[in-house]
Amino acid sequence: GAVVSQHPSRVICKSGTSVKIECRSLDFQATTMFWYRQFPKQSLMLMATSNEGSKATYEQGVEKDKFLINHASLTLSTLTVTSAHPEDSSFYICSAKIGPDEKLFFGSGTQLSVL
Amino acid sequence: KNEVEQSPQNLTAQEGEFITINCSYSVGISALHWLQQHPGGGIVSLFMLSSGKKKHGRLIATINIQEKHSSLHITASHPRDSAVYICAVRSGGTYKYIFGTGTRLKVLA
Repeated sequence: GAVVSQHPSRVICKSGTSVKIECRSLDFQATTMFWYRQFPKQSLMLMATSNEGSKATYEQGVEKDKFLINHASLTLSTLTVTSAHPEDSSFYICSAKIGPDEKLFFGSGTQLSVL
Repeated sequence: KNEVEQSPQNLTAQEGEFITINCSYSVGISALHWLQQHPGGGIVSLFMLSSGKKKHGRLIATINIQEKHSSLHITASHPRDSAVYICAVRSGGTYKYIFGTGTRLKVLA
């Protein structure tokens, strides 16, 4: 079964609204979660790294105030796209690093469409 | 030039064929992953390599650190292998990954 649960899988919203995407780690504690964005037929681009209980580290060019990341517990990290615009339409996916190993577990992704 | 390059970008094969996907990188790495992304978007980690070779079922992954090159082989390919295969490298002490643009594989029955 899935190790990382991501919801929703698809969301359509109007321009100006905010959308929250959740990633939950199942049966393990994820001290670090990564949030990626992927445009059609392009590579995954890291947006930010979130560590439980501390502020997320954003990649260059990613607006902190637009993409709010919260990692309030060891099993839940959220990405909120605030005041979404059509150019924010994309596939968003999270991944968790578990333990000292290099194992990566990905959520199933969220396709965001902003009208 | 991307730091991680994959070839080919697209590949169509007949069922049963042996498939090779290549990944070249230009940075020093501490680990390399091969990932599989299905049409729905979900991603599964197939292998993590830091040296040598790994095998899992019909999949084989190799890495040559000196040549900065890795290959993913699929033996006896099957239509269910159709997916995008992505190479991702970790460089340095952090857990940030650099991703290739992926190889889109289609296996025909």
